[in-house]
Amino acid sequence: DIQMTQSPSSLSASVGDRVTITCRASQSISSYLSWYQQKPGKAPKLLIYAASNLQSGVPSRFSGSGSGTDFTLTISSLQPEDFASYYCQQSYTTPPTFGQGTKIEIK
Amino acid sequence: EVQLLESGGGLVQPGGSLRLSCAASGFTFSSYAMSWVRQAPGKGLEWVSAISGSGDITYSTDSVKGRFTISRDNSKNTLYLQMNSLRAEDTAIYYCAKDIGVRVTTDTPDYWGQGTLVTVSS
Repeated sequence: DIQMTQSPSSLSASVGDRVTITCRASQSISSYLSWYQQKPGKAPKLLIYAASNLQSGVPSRFSGSGSGTDFTLTISSLQPEDFASYYCQQSYTTPPTFGQGTKIEIK
Repeated sequence: EVQLLESGGGLVQPGGSLRLSCAASGFTFSSYAMSWVRQAPGKGLEWVSAISGSGDITYSTDSVKGRFTISRDNSKNTLYLQMNSLRAEDTAIYYCAKDIGVRVTTDTPDYWGQGTLVTVSS
């Protein structure tokens, strides 16, 4: 199985900050990479698919980049509703696998 | 509006069985692959099983192979997960999820249900 490693595992940030989360795959996955946001007690929500495509309805402050093994999720200006956990997921091979998650907390 | 409503979770003893259901609405169910993804308490996300829109292709993660079976009834717009020989490590919230691709499996869920909790304990 392809291993997905996110960093950092958690971070503290303030409203208005620019935040970047990285995700590294154990082998090349081309652009078969998605990002999800999950708030406590809620289901995950798709933010980005195919590494850089913004899902419909997702604010433009979210962006994704990368290909091969290294990917990033950037939030250009953190908003109060963005404090949550974020997961990357590869869909290059089966089984699809997720990163361990990154929790963004309020500083 | 896409809606996915899971049911069937609960408390079961080790070695027992449960069948989860996911009632779908708001989209042409048979045109989309569907998946089950689980999340153990306080842990991350784990893919469990997926099935193509027609139901002829399925796959599961190694830890559930031979114990869990994914299926669907396109006439009822319902996805199922039959779970047998349950273990304590299967304790999790189980989410039903719809694939983003139309008539193609992309393994990228764009809609998720609210989840159903399965607890395996004596």
